[in-house]
Amino acid sequence: GENVEQHPSTLSVQEGDSAVIKCTYSDSASNYFPWYKQELGKRPQLIIDIRSNVGEKKDQRIAVTLNKTAKHFSLHITETQPEDSAVYFCAASTWFVNDMRFGAGTRLTVKP
Amino acid sequence: GAVVSQHPSRVICKSGTSVKIECRSLDFQATTMFWYRQFPKKSLMLMATSNEGSKATYEQGVEKDKFLINHASLTLSTLTVTSAHPEDSSFYICSARETHLASGRPREQFFGPGTRLTVL
Repeated sequence: GENVEQHPSTLSVQEGDSAVIKCTYSDSASNYFPWYKQELGKRPQLIIDIRSNVGEKKDQRIAVTLNKTAKHFSLHITETQPEDSAVYFCAASTWFVNDMRFGAGTRLTVKP
Repeated sequence: GAVVSQHPSRVICKSGTSVKIECRSLDFQATTMFWYRQFPKKSLMLMATSNEGSKATYEQGVEKDKFLINHASLTLSTLTVTSAHPEDSSFYICSARETHLASGRPREQFFGPGTRLTVL
């Protein structure tokens, strides 16, 4: 089955700096890669996703890149703000099968 | 947007009792719902996939007799923790996927707010 690894487990940045979180996956059949943000005590919320037919997707300060050959994908947050502080989870699955697997999570702290 | 509710949000029970947690998709139909368990500062661990009208599919290591799942309608799945023990204390989160993709939405999972179970 799919195995998703996520690094780093914790990340601390200064407000305004960029943050990068990286994930690798094992199943070459995976073709859908969402990223979720979970604030303390709240539910995970989808912030951006990418399908395997594109290499990069951007939404304002958030971007995700995908390298299918190397089986890794990354989340990039630019101009970080204190409200970006949360736990971020990457995930991988195939489009039609109920097999989504999550990474271990990255606790991002943005210092004002 | 799609909303998933969970009830109760918090429950404290005595060891040996059973606890039922409900997961509802409020504005969409979900053939499939997922149950996760999350330990403090840990990731989401998939416990089982709940399929409407059929038996749930359990992940390896999850006791099906311990965690009973029922998905009786396209908007409701329930997880019953039977004979709960302190080690079952955890944060349980459900999620649901839309049945019909004609809406054009990506195949996103929508999460419930979670249920914190404490077994004394």
